[in-house]
Amino acid sequence: QSALTQPRSVSGSPGQSVTISCTGTSSDVGGYNYVSWYQQHPGKAPKLMIYDVSKRPSGVPDRFSGSKSGNTASLTISGLQAEDEADYYCCSYAGSYVVFGGGTKLTVL
Amino acid sequence: EVQLVESGGGLVQPGRSLRLSCAASGFTFDDYAMHWVRQAPGKGLEWVSGISWNSGSTGYADSVKGRFTISRDNAKNSLYLQMNSLRAEDTALYYCAKDQYQLLSQIAFDIWGQGTMVTVSS
Repeated sequence: QSALTQPRSVSGSPGQSVTISCTGTSSDVGGYNYVSWYQQHPGKAPKLMIYDVSKRPSGVPDRFSGSKSGNTASLTISGLQAEDEADYYCCSYAGSYVVFGGGTKLTVL
Repeated sequence: EVQLVESGGGLVQPGRSLRLSCAASGFTFDDYAMHWVRQAPGKGLEWVSGISWNSGSTGYADSVKGRFTISRDNAKNSLYLQMNSLRAEDTALYYCAKDQYQLLSQIAFDIWGQGTMVTVSS
């Protein structure tokens, strides 16, 4: 049950786009279309941003999008805003368990 | 209002037990799978355990298998986590999370509680 691999940090200026990668294996990310992404602000509970690789829950801005290619999933945030600064975690179903990524800190410059 | 409220955390000595509870409201509890996710201080998220809508299937992280037991009482809209043989590395904020789906074969945590802190120390 190894954690998925995410970059520790990414940054971008307001209005720009950033992409956060999430690399797993054929036993998790590559094997199922059940990748989700969570946003967590300091001291707050995580919030679901993307599920089933690319679906957005109601209320999540369409600036947030998800995709997957092979064993790597990606979260893209376009038109960066100051409030997007947070930690982001990917998550994947892995057959008999669930695995998270180590988290990526997004800094809006 | 959809809400999950955890309780039962606290300071406990290594080797002892603790039972966490999660009270759900604002949605049809027995329609969805439920999970426990933890976060050690300053660290990332770690899935701990999940249970399907009817308790028919459960799953555990290797780190807690054999020590923790997840259960639910649909009549009381409540989720539980019995934690035995606690270790220092179990110290974390424990979140209760609602799944979008009924079974453990699809995963998306759409509602989270605020968490209950468990500290394992002598």
